[in-house]
Amino acid sequence: QVQLQESGPGLVKPSQTLSLTCTVSGASISSGGYHWSWIRQLPGKGLEYIGYIYYSGSTYYNPSLKSRLIMSLGTTGNQFSLRLTSVTAADTAVYYCAREVVTARAEYFQHWGQGTLVTVSS
Amino acid sequence: DIQMTQSPSSLSASVGDRVTITCQASQDIRRHLNWYQQKPGRAPKLLIFDASTLETGVPTRFSGSGSGTDFTFAISSLQPEDIATYYCQQYNSLPRTFGGGTKVEI
Repeated sequence: QVQLQESGPGLVKPSQTLSLTCTVSGASISSGGYHWSWIRQLPGKGLEYIGYIYYSGSTYYNPSLKSRLIMSLGTTGNQFSLRLTSVTAADTAVYYCAREVVTARAEYFQHWGQGTLVTVSS
Repeated sequence: DIQMTQSPSSLSASVGDRVTITCQASQDIRRHLNWYQQKPGRAPKLLIFDASTLETGVPTRFSGSGSGTDFTFAISSLQPEDIATYYCQQYNSLPRTFGGGTKVEI
């Protein structure tokens, strides 16, 4: 079955860059029909959509984060990554990677990673 | 961005009760709405997509309806394992946006 797993530092200093990787098993990132996505959840709050990368390398970034965001496909292995620059305490959140199924009829986040807490603090 | 407004933000019900949650979009999103369940410390789980289509393996006590700007999610007979926070999410346009969540308690 499809599984996603986030990895990366749990603590990042203010003004530095948050870097996370999502490792996918049970499916190939190279197949079309999916948006390989990032979503975050601020502590005790709701869900915020960050953006996605497609197998071709094309990306969509939420305009609220666009100026600080870079997503990429892994150079080795079945992975994709997120980099968020110039972080502040407001970026403290649980970060999820997810696979969004994209069909003519519907689009939905069918598979999610377990999430990783990233705290921004000095 | 399309704003998604869920109500109520929390509710308390008894086992066996029918529970309903509403989700209102700030503009017409046709049927482009999904519902997720999130238990504490866990990732959200897809329950319903395309406003009313039940994801494979999801119990039939869960249902969804609506189109345009007004949507409803229901649990026909609340079970103890349904204690969670429920979110609606639109996919009519980017960026995807979620409702604020409804916490269901017993």
